[in-house]
Amino acid sequence: ELKVEQNPLFLSMQEGKNYTIYCNYSTTSDRLYWYRQDPGKSLESLFVLLSNGAVKQEGRLMASLDTKARLSTLHITAAVHDLSATYFCAVDKWLSSNYQLIWGAGTKLIIKP
Amino acid sequence: KAGVTQTPRYLIKTRGQQVTLSCSPISGHRSVSWYQQTPGQGLQFLFEYFSETQRNKGNFPGRFSGRQFSNSRSEMNVSTLELGDSALYLCASSLLSRGTSMNTEAFFGQGTRLTVV
Repeated sequence: ELKVEQNPLFLSMQEGKNYTIYCNYSTTSDRLYWYRQDPGKSLESLFVLLSNGAVKQEGRLMASLDTKARLSTLHITAAVHDLSATYFCAVDKWLSSNYQLIWGAGTKLIIKP
Repeated sequence: KAGVTQTPRYLIKTRGQQVTLSCSPISGHRSVSWYQQTPGQGLQFLFEYFSETQRNKGNFPGRFSGRQFSNSRSEMNVSTLELGDSALYLCASSLLSRGTSMNTEAFFGQGTRLTVV
């Protein structure tokens, strides 16, 4: 069974600090996605990672993918309050004759001013 | 350009009833996927429609069905509602079907919050 595990599930940190969210998945996958969700809102696409070694950066967020280790990381640099949200990773997997998007449980990030 | 539009935003239904949710994708996008989000189960894939055909399907009972029209708008129907169907239903549009190897980045709508009482 394909599992996507995020770590940690909850993170409270101070502004200005750096931290990393981890996303492990249990079998091979072609693509990995990172999304952000604000409370009561929809999902916002952050990054699409398509190959081993892929690294993408947007502002204070940087995502990387290691397909051999089946691990993606989302690194937050010098956190600011506006980055408080829940972050999800998701993996594409060929299952039962079609592609399905399998989601992690989400990491709730609270950044204190 | 307009984003993904879901209607209605909120809905309250009684057990046993049926419900239809609507999703209008981004102009030019031909793929519409549906997801269920609950506190207990998280985000779960329901199905994907591309060019009016169901291309991918998750592990949900037959009470959950959908369709897509020629203008790419999609509807999702849930029959014989159960309390456990209470959830946020999200629709996402993509340029291409999720089965291709090209850019299949998905853009999500605001969701429809369904409460079954």
